[in-house]
Amino acid sequence: AQTIHQWPVAEIKAVGSPLSLGCTIKGKSSPNLYWYWQATGGTLQQLFYSITVGQVESVVQLNLSASRPKDDQFILSTEKLLLSHSGFYLCAWSLDWGGEQYFGPGTRLTVL
Amino acid sequence: GDSVTQTEGLVTLTEGLPVMLNCTYQSTYSPFLFWYVQHLNEAPKLLLKSFTDNKRPEHQGFHATLHKSSSSFHLQKSSAQLSDSALYYCALSEGGNNKLTFGQGTVLSVIP
Repeated sequence: AQTIHQWPVAEIKAVGSPLSLGCTIKGKSSPNLYWYWQATGGTLQQLFYSITVGQVESVVQLNLSASRPKDDQFILSTEKLLLSHSGFYLCAWSLDWGGEQYFGPGTRLTVL
Repeated sequence: GDSVTQTEGLVTLTEGLPVMLNCTYQSTYSPFLFWYVQHLNEAPKLLLKSFTDNKRPEHQGFHATLHKSSSSFHLQKSSAQLSDSALYYCALSEGGNNKLTFGQGTVLSVIP
């Protein structure tokens, strides 16, 4: 069975500090991977997607970047956090082009 | 561009009454529609996915029918349970791309 893991579970960071969030998926070969952001009380906003190692497409620019260094790993990062980056970050995967997506447990980020 | 509209921000129901959460969409092509459920401090979980034919997907007592004529995919259940209290998202995926567009979400609160 496939499992998706995100780290860290929660993070409290200062404005201007760097950030790195990770996601790994096991049990699926060459999945499509996605990053989402959910502001408190807000909807889910797709940030990035990747269909293969080394390739990442940006959907929304929020002064964040993403990378896929391995088939089963997706990283979200920024060099300087903003207050507006606070929220719930979710990694998701799918097998089919345009098919249903399955979400990881998420990372809750608070920027102070 | 494609969009999803959920007109109700909050629906409060007494246990045992029927549930109907509205979802309408705009899409250039023939999309797939989904319902996701998110419990407090958890990740969204896939509840239902539309079929390309006239089949009606069902899961955990919930069902939804894709009506292309009215661009709707309303979520229904015959009898609400306390455990159904959660945030429900309707989402759209156009075939041919990896973008999943979410509605604003509807909080369902079931009371005794």
